[in-house]
Amino acid sequence: DAKTTQPPSMDCAEGRAANLPCNHSTISGNEYVYWYRQIHSQGPQYIIHGLKNNETNEMASLIITEDRKSSTLILPHATLRDTAVYYCIVRERSGGSNYKLTFGKGTLLTVNP
Amino acid sequence: GAVVSQHPSWVICKSGTSVKIECRSLDFQATTMFWYRQFPKQSLMLMATSNEGSKATYEQGVEKDKFLINHASLTLSTLTVTSAHPEDSSFYICSTKTGGAYQPQHFGDGTRLSIL
Repeated sequence: DAKTTQPPSMDCAEGRAANLPCNHSTISGNEYVYWYRQIHSQGPQYIIHGLKNNETNEMASLIITEDRKSSTLILPHATLRDTAVYYCIVRERSGGSNYKLTFGKGTLLTVNP
Repeated sequence: GAVVSQHPSWVICKSGTSVKIECRSLDFQATTMFWYRQFPKQSLMLMATSNEGSKATYEQGVEKDKFLINHASLTLSTLTVTSAHPEDSSFYICSTKTGGAYQPQHFGDGTRLSIL
């Protein structure tokens, strides 16, 4: 089972900021939070990841609460092409030194014109 | 640019045939590759993890004799669906990591497999 919970769907107006929340209350001290998105019929696309500090790249910003139990992905100016399912993931150990990404249901973000 | 290349993107074949899907890492060496499966309106499910030069580790419920994984080189992993049946129709996606322990995985564009 995924170690994160996300709302099943959200809507956002084109040009506005999209704020996608994620709860990961059982995250441990050295686990990163990863965000991916999947546009219909494509493979997941990596967006951003972080440990405890806020992160920003050309795609998005990631805000992680001080207790690290939740985070928010921010798309500053959403476009129609940002319509996708967004996944917030905390990796799980799969044996030895290996980790695996377990995908939950994610949040379907619909950007409306 | 693309980090992982997957081929073919779409395949249709008759029931009982075997289908091979290729996953290549571009411009880097991938010691570990992951294979996922996604049914319509569902999330991705990890099928197996393959390490170059060793046997793949399969997730619970995935038949290793049906889904053959070969990771013979640092840039190529293949998934062969043997004796495919209509219930094997799905979206198959490979993934790999480009760097250190906490670096993100990157995914291929997926292969849509339809068994008639």
